[in-house]
Formats: sequence, C-alpha cells, structure tokens
Amino acid sequence: QVHLQESGPGLVKASETLSLTCSVSRDSFYRHAYYWGWIRQPPGKGLEWIGTMFSTEYSYYNPSLQSRVTISLDRSKNQFSLRLTSVTAADTAVYFCATVRPEVVVPHSFDYWGQGMLVTVSP
Amino acid sequence: QSVLTQPPSVSGAPGQRVTISCTGSNSNIGAPYDVHWYHQVPGTAPKVVIFGNDNRPSGVPDRFSGSKSDTSASLAITGLQADDEGDYYCQSFDRRLDSWVFGGGTKVTVL
Repeated sequence: QVHLQESGPGLVKASETLSLTCSVSRDSFYRHAYYWGWIRQPPGKGLEWIGTMFSTEYSYYNPSLQSRVTISLDRSKNQFSLRLTSVTAADTAVYFCATVRPEVVVPHSFDYWGQGMLVTVSP
Repeated sequence: QSVLTQPPSVSGAPGQRVTISCTGSNSNIGAPYDVHWYHQVPGTAPKVVIFGNDNRPSGVPDRFSGSKSDTSASLAITGLQADDEGDYYCQSFDRRLDSWVFGGGTKVTVL
C-alpha cells in the first residue's frame, strides 16, 4: 500500500502563493508511478482537477488554472509539490494529492489519495 | 459547469438498486477514454469503487458495477446499504482539453 501526505500552510493571504508538498511513503513505488496529481475541492462543492506531472516530468494543467500553477517532483525526497500563484478567496479548498497504480501507463484513474488539506485564503 | 454530467442526487431504500449516470462527449468518454468512479464520505478522501469502466478494486463488494456505452457511463449499486451513502464522482480524460475531468458528483441517500 502507498501512503500520501499533504503538508504546507493552511492559511495563505490573497495575492500570495500557495505551496503544498505531497510526501510518498514507499520509495520503490514513487520511482515507478506513471503520474502524480493534485485535485481540490472547495467547501461544499465537487472535485476539481488541478494538474498532473508524469514520471517523464511532462505536465498537464487545468486550462482554467494553467497560468498560475506549477507542479514539480523531488525524487531525492520522495515528494511532489504544487505552487499556485496570485490566490484569491476562490482558491480556498481542500487540496488532495493523488497517484495511479504502477502498472498504468496511460491517463487513467487516481487510485491512491492523501487525506487532504484545507487551505484558506484570507483577505 | 462540469465536462461530465451527473444527476445531483439519487436515493433508495435499503436493499434496493440505484444507478448513477455520467454523460460526456466524443472528446472524453466517447474518445474512448476509460471512466472511473469514486465514493467520497464527507470529510474524507475519495476512494475508487470502479476503474477502467467496469473493474472493481480489491475490497470493493460486487454490489458495485460499472458500464459504458458510447459517450456515457453508469454506476449501479445493488443491495443498497447505509454505508453506501455519500457522494459519487465519475472521472475520465478529455483529449480536447488535455485534462483529467470529473463529473459534478451525485449524492446518494439511503432512505
């Protein structure tokens, strides 16, 4: 089994940058997963895909967020990160990191999820 | 507005069968990209109940089944139980948007 854990500030001021890190528990899994992603969920609303980084370090981003989002990998630390710039109140949400089963090599599901982390954007 | 369309809510009595539809287009479900289904209990992370249109992960009871046809998919839950309550989301990939896409979610209530 794989354990993912989000970490970072739970409060960010409007116009500043939101930065979150996802730590992955199993080193061998981390080295073989095909992609890693971030998904968010505003309070009381549905899931919104933010972006996905492939093991090749090619990334796809939600077109509505693309100008503000960066996802990066840190293989030495078994981590991947999310940066979202110029945040507003609309970016207040629970942020989840997630990944796919190792045998999948096409855009597919998110099989393993972190517990999620609430990030609130303050005025 | 979500790329994949789901009904906002469905309900059923214990033991009954409910179905949740997920309607997409030729750039996602009809492309054809696989459809996956997640169950989310409020305050927790989503959990896969169906992947690859009709496959159940280990540990998911066979009361859950998925199907796909053309540009739509469905999740069926038979023998409805109290712990089936929560929100269900369908998800696929859209080649026009180059994006993972989710449905808006369906709240399942056990009466």
